[in-house]
Amino acid sequence: DTGVSQNPRHKITKRGQNVTFRCDPISEHNRLYWYRQTLGQGPEFLTYFQNEAQLEKSRLLSDRFSAERPKGSFSTLEIQRTEQGDSAMYLCASSFSGTGGDGYTFGSGTRLTVV
Amino acid sequence: QQPVQSPQAVILREGEDAVINCSSSKALYSVHWYRQKHGEAPVFLMILLKGGEQKGHDKISASFNEKKQQSSLYLTASQLSYSGTYFCGTPPSGAGSYQLTFGKGTKLSVIP
Repeated sequence: DTGVSQNPRHKITKRGQNVTFRCDPISEHNRLYWYRQTLGQGPEFLTYFQNEAQLEKSRLLSDRFSAERPKGSFSTLEIQRTEQGDSAMYLCASSFSGTGGDGYTFGSGTRLTVV
Repeated sequence: QQPVQSPQAVILREGEDAVINCSSSKALYSVHWYRQKHGEAPVFLMILLKGGEQKGHDKISASFNEKKQQSSLYLTASQLSYSGTYFCGTPPSGAGSYQLTFGKGTKLSVIP
């Protein structure tokens, strides 16, 4: 297993366009998270899945954002009608729901630039 | 509520020690620590689950004071490889809460 994989690594899009990012978590991990990070800030929670169920979604997340995790494997994050304020690094992470406390394994992220 | 990290930045010479603090105005149920190098993903360091717990590996250790709603990360005899931004992350509530709220980070620079 090569860790958490995210594609694409970089995405430049025009304002108003839709974009979709993909995350492939570590196969044994049943929890998958999406975070957004801007320069000089810590990662900001967007949403998380346990298997295929989306259990939490940030109240700050507008309805332009949607995420799926069909069959509890890979996940996609779609942003519709992108705005310049959506420019950020989008990080995916996964973890295993063991009993010992589970740290996240992060992917390398997708850097989105909205022009 | 976002945990508060201090200091915001610190510069060390190789071999020196550092302490990074993470505090919250709300109850802390657990604390995660991550290190992120420039242009890379955050990397998990350790998690503290119970008040009074202390953990460590190599020369990096952490403590969790539940009553003070605070955790501290200790880096001893720092190496160049310790450079990066350190984040603490805490869940918003107790059992069944798995997302984390991260602090703004502490940038650590180790120089020769």
